[in-house]
Amino acid sequence: ILNVEQSPQSLHVQEGDSTNFTCSFPSSNFYALHWYRWETAKSPEALFVMTLNGDEKKKGRISATLNTKEGYSYLYIKGSQPEDSATYLCAFLTTGGKLIFGQGTELSVKP
Amino acid sequence: DTAVSQTPKYLVTQMGNDKSIKCEQNLGHDTMYWYKQDSKKFLKIMFSYNNKELIINETVPNRFSPKSPDKAHLNLHINSLELGDSAVYFCASSQDLLGVPGYTFGSGTRLTVV
Repeated sequence: ILNVEQSPQSLHVQEGDSTNFTCSFPSSNFYALHWYRWETAKSPEALFVMTLNGDEKKKGRISATLNTKEGYSYLYIKGSQPEDSATYLCAFLTTGGKLIFGQGTELSVKP
Repeated sequence: DTAVSQTPKYLVTQMGNDKSIKCEQNLGHDTMYWYKQDSKKFLKIMFSYNNKELIINETVPNRFSPKSPDKAHLNLHINSLELGDSAVYFCASSQDLLGVPGYTFGSGTRLTVV
């Protein structure tokens, strides 16, 4: 069974705080690691797709790293803003083309 | 124009009925998917199609049948609906099976079986 685990399940921070989440995934059958941002009442939006060990991606205040050997990825948000409040999903793409999602980390940023 | 559009957005129906959910993408993507959001809010893959060909068929009751008339459309037909089928169903598409640079999701169809 291929499982993707995310931690923490939820996080409450103050505006301006920096934060990070963890995604753990199997190190076998790995093709890519996806991160999505899912706001309430909307659909998930792709943030990053990473394929190579050591990959680092950045979009504005959000960045992600990938370690395929040990099976983890980190998502960092620098200087959190209320508009960053959302559920952040990590997903593991297998070599068979199956994208398996974690349960998400729900981030709430208070002004 | 909505990139991945699903209809209907809400569907309330009685047990035993047959219903369909339609999905269309105007991105020129080759690959389309159906995901089910379960009670714990997990997104679980149901089916994937690549250029109208079935690629992934997860352990889904055979009451669920996907149909892809062309690569821009992937519809989901559900026979003999049961209470446990109540969920939000998401359609998605990607450029190809490799999924780079990510999937584009529709807004979801909330199915309620009463």
